[in-house]
Amino acid sequence: DIQMTQSPSLLSASVGDRVTLSCKASQSIYNSLTWYQQKLGEAPKLLIYDANSLQTGIPSRFSGSGSGTDYTLTISNLQPEDVATYFCQKYYSGLTFGSGTKLEIK
Amino acid sequence: EVQLVESGGGLVQPGRSLKLSCAASGFTFSNYYMAWVRQAPKKGLEWVATISTSGSRTYYPDSVKGRFTISRDNAKSSLYLQMNSLKSEDTATYYCARGMGADYFDYWGQGVMVTVSS
Repeated sequence: DIQMTQSPSLLSASVGDRVTLSCKASQSIYNSLTWYQQKLGEAPKLLIYDANSLQTGIPSRFSGSGSGTDYTLTISNLQPEDVATYFCQKYYSGLTFGSGTKLEIK
Repeated sequence: EVQLVESGGGLVQPGRSLKLSCAASGFTFSNYYMAWVRQAPKKGLEWVATISTSGSRTYYPDSVKGRFTISRDNAKSSLYLQMNSLKSEDTATYYCARGMGADYFDYWGQGVMVTVSS
């Protein structure tokens, strides 16, 4: 089975910062990767699909990149409403979520 | 507006059964794969089941295969999850989600809590 590892597990940043969240697969997943945002007490929301395609209605400060085994979610100009846990999910060779990165504001 | 509303959760004893429902609106239900994803308390997300548009194909991870059954009624725009032989580790919030094929999920319901305990 392909394992998904997210890092860091906790990230603290300031408003206006550019932050990067990492998701690594144990073997290539050929850009078959999504990113979700889950705010406290809410359902997950799709941000990015196919590794780098922005879902309709998501602010352009969110972007995805990567290939092969290494993928990144970047949030530029961090806003207070971005406080959430972010999960990656692969869909190559089965569906598996990463363990999440909790993003806080300093 | 896409809406997914889950129901049927609650407290159930180990070994017993429970059936979850999801009422969909705001889109043509029969055109989309649908799925269930769960989240144990303060834990991450785990995919539970996916069903094709017609219901002819279903997919499960090993953790629930043989115990859970996903089904749908396109005439009623409804999705179901029959859960049998429940275990304590099945305790979680269960989300109904609209699938982009069998790959990922673009809309999620608010979730329904299932607690398996004696």
